[in-house]
Amino acid sequence: AQTVTQSQPEMSVQEAETVTLSCTYDTSESDYYLFWYKQPPSRQMILVIRQEAYKQQNATENRFSVNFQKAAKSFSLKISDSQLGDAAMYFCAYRSGWDRKTSYDKVIFGPGTSLSVIP
Amino acid sequence: NAGVTQTPKFRILKIGQSMTLQCTQDMNHNYMYWYRQDPGMGLKLIYYSVGAGITDKGEVPNGYNVSRSTTEDFPLRLELAAPSQTSVYFCASSYGSGTGDMFYNEQFFGPGTRLTVL
Repeated sequence: AQTVTQSQPEMSVQEAETVTLSCTYDTSESDYYLFWYKQPPSRQMILVIRQEAYKQQNATENRFSVNFQKAAKSFSLKISDSQLGDAAMYFCAYRSGWDRKTSYDKVIFGPGTSLSVIP
Repeated sequence: NAGVTQTPKFRILKIGQSMTLQCTQDMNHNYMYWYRQDPGMGLKLIYYSVGAGITDKGEVPNGYNVSRSTTEDFPLRLELAAPSQTSVYFCASSYGSGTGDMFYNEQFFGPGTRLTVL
């Protein structure tokens, strides 16, 4: 069974600095997708960035980028020029490829990392 | 588009009471999900549906039931509420990755329902 691990329950960063959140996963599949979601105090789940496993190029969305290491099963999130609005819980998520038997592609979330931004 | 809407936003139940959490999406997504999030924890899948009339259990289905009579609606039923069901409940929807396009894999989440069972 697939698992997603986020080894840092809490992180903090100075405003305008860079922080990296780690995520590792375990799978025997070759076709899958990875996501980072942000959950601010409002509780809304917001997609930050996504990565297809078959792509070697790391995904980038403005100040957010990932370091995807498929062989190591690692998917870290780097936030550059941190802003106060980046303070939130960050969840790493794994989505399997489509399963013909179940017609369902499983989504598994990690336990989350709470990020604080210090002014 | 309203996206994914959930009602109610907050609810307090007494032990043994029942209630239905409503979830509606207007994006014509075939997949819908119910998650619970306990304090300081990640999301755990309760039930999911890959289309109208098709539902299946997730990781933590005990004490819950679902139905999917239409593409848009996916209500979650709690029978005989227990304190262990105190949590925040999120509904989500997406296309299935069987569409072949990664863009459609993103899950869209509702704002959540905070449920307390006393």
